[in-house]
Amino acid sequence: GAGVSQTPSNKVTEKGKYVELRCDPISGHTALYWYRQSLGQGPEFLIYFQGTGAADDSGLPNDRFFAVRPEGSVSTLKIQRTERGDSAVYLCASSLTGLAGGSGELFFGEGSRLTVL
Amino acid sequence: DQQVKQNSPSLSVQEGRISILNCDYTNSMFDYFLWYKKYPAEGPTFLISISSIKDKNEDGRFTVFLNKSAKHLSLHIVPSQPGDSAVYFCAASARLTGGGNKLTFGTGTQLKVEL
Repeated sequence: GAGVSQTPSNKVTEKGKYVELRCDPISGHTALYWYRQSLGQGPEFLIYFQGTGAADDSGLPNDRFFAVRPEGSVSTLKIQRTERGDSAVYLCASSLTGLAGGSGELFFGEGSRLTVL
Repeated sequence: DQQVKQNSPSLSVQEGRISILNCDYTNSMFDYFLWYKKYPAEGPTFLISISSIKDKNEDGRFTVFLNKSAKHLSLHIVPSQPGDSAVYFCAASARLTGGGNKLTFGTGTQLKVEL
């Protein structure tokens, strides 16, 4: 499809395990974002990539969270030593950036629901 | 400290009537405001936006109003249709280092349009 693709759609893991979540952005979109949505909350910013580099990772909650985008397209969010509080829907979004007057519209994927038991 | 607030967790409206969803914000530095719509098990979908230098933007049945002095915006949907039933998120945009945009979201309002 032409939209943002995220895998897996659901992931159940045990506390302390390592998890990887994958995002395939819209072709041609240089900007990629990860957000996290907890139950009853709106999405919260985690990290922003412009091309291959993490331009802003100020939203990552702690050093257990890490993300990469080695070739400027697909991105992987990595969570080490998972905790029950990490349970949430992890959303990936992409956009065309650098456009004058851009509104900041992001195109979101369907999310990866992570459950840590 | 929530910078974007949606104080109504739910709203029920009859088909054909107007739906008004409200949002308040605290940070004067936001340069755009956006509304997203979300169906269950799907990602948020962009609906409409407004620049901080405007006070109204209209797109078909959807109109967003911005009152900067009150730090308040609202989304009007008229006429409301059953397919509009979804969670609506208000979001505010600020520029990030490197040219991107950070969206700060409210907690959402569940709209139900009844027949």
